[in-house]
Amino acid sequence: SQQGEEDPQALSIQEGENATMNCSYKTSINNLQWYRQNSGRGLVHLILIRSNEREKHSGRLRVTLDTSKKSSSLLITASRAADTASYFCATVLFNNNDMRFGAGTRLTVKP
Amino acid sequence: GAGVSQTPSNKVTEKGKYVELRCDPISGHTALYWYRQSLGQGPEFLIYFQGTGAADDSGLPNDRFFAVRPEGSVSTLKIQRTERGDSAVYLCASSAGGALHFGNGTRLTVT
Repeated sequence: SQQGEEDPQALSIQEGENATMNCSYKTSINNLQWYRQNSGRGLVHLILIRSNEREKHSGRLRVTLDTSKKSSSLLITASRAADTASYFCATVLFNNNDMRFGAGTRLTVKP
Repeated sequence: GAGVSQTPSNKVTEKGKYVELRCDPISGHTALYWYRQSLGQGPEFLIYFQGTGAADDSGLPNDRFFAVRPEGSVSTLKIQRTERGDSAVYLCASSAGGALHFGNGTRLTVT
């Protein structure tokens, strides 16, 4: 079963704008991760945030985590056409290491 | 070093046939995951190995699906009596803890 749910399902912006994607989950987690996927093939890990962290940065990426609301957000600043992809959040629970993904947000960045 | 390798990259089979999908993880990664992904959907968890044992196989849809990892490295996902609904991209990922490293998947088409 899926654990995380991303919102929105699809997002279309102009190059240079910021893109924000949200993820909500249901049960307590050990950590939450964001992945990117091009063309329906393998996913690429972007960033991991632990349950005791509130915010992390990596280049143009900023991730926040609110465990009280069971939600996370991924912000991509100064977007580029090459950022066009599907973005997924994945949660790792405390009691095991299996990882469950949401349905993803399809981001389109128009040049 | 080499990434996660999945073979074959594409497999077309007739309904009712048996198929095996292979995953060669990154050397030294003790955790190995199988997911199934349909078009426009997120990866659906199937099974997770820690070493040679299946730590969580709750995602296997029915008893036609089985996976092994006999030596704690290469894993094989086996599907018996394939059905058209089994058509999807099957993704494998490995991990040393933390981020998952994905292969490019096997696209299975059941005709």
